[in-house]
Amino acid sequence: AQSVAQPEDQVNVAEGNPLTVKCTYSVSGNPYLFWYVQYPNRGLQFLLKYITGDNLVKGSYGFEAEFNKSQTSFHLKKPSALVSDSALYFCAVRDRGAGNNRKLIWGLGTSLAVNP
Amino acid sequence: NAGVTQTPKFRVLKTGQSMTLLCAQDMNHEYMYWYRQDPGMGLRLIHYSVGEGTTAKGEVPDGYNVSRLKKQNFLLGLESAAPSQTSVYFCASSPGPTNTGELFFGEGSRLTVL
Repeated sequence: AQSVAQPEDQVNVAEGNPLTVKCTYSVSGNPYLFWYVQYPNRGLQFLLKYITGDNLVKGSYGFEAEFNKSQTSFHLKKPSALVSDSALYFCAVRDRGAGNNRKLIWGLGTSLAVNP
Repeated sequence: NAGVTQTPKFRVLKTGQSMTLLCAQDMNHEYMYWYRQDPGMGLRLIHYSVGEGTTAKGEVPDGYNVSRLKKQNFLLGLESAAPSQTSVYFCASSPGPTNTGELFFGEGSRLTVL
């Protein structure tokens, strides 16, 4: 079965330090990969996606993610965390199949807390 | 830039009551979705639509109905609310089959069923 795992429920990091939020997946073929962020009491916002090409993808708010095909991972990273980055982060994947049934498979989310 | 708008934002129901959540998007998107978000369970797809007049079941469709009479609107109905339907509901849209899957979300509707 296709699945997405975010192995850490919560990540704590000090402001100014680098952060990593992990995501691994089990999807056939070469999927599309996404990260979304949810700030408190808000809807989800798209951060970045991997479609093809360079394994390092840059997105909004200084975030980037590294696609690793051999490890089937798509970890979210930021070189220097801000307190305002504190939020819930979701990884999602979708296979490249054709047709209308092209739904995203979601991880359960990782809560990021950046401490001043 | 309204994007995806959900109404109402908050609602309290008694068990057995009915209600409808409205989602409206102004981006001319083909696809629309209803998700529910519960602690520890992430996002679960309830129903979705790939175009005006179409609907399809997601992962957790029981107890819900939907309609997409107009391209810009996607309605989620609860005919007889149950406490298990207490949740935060999110509507999302995406451009369509040529899109790589990026979704645009509303701000959410928090429903409590007593």
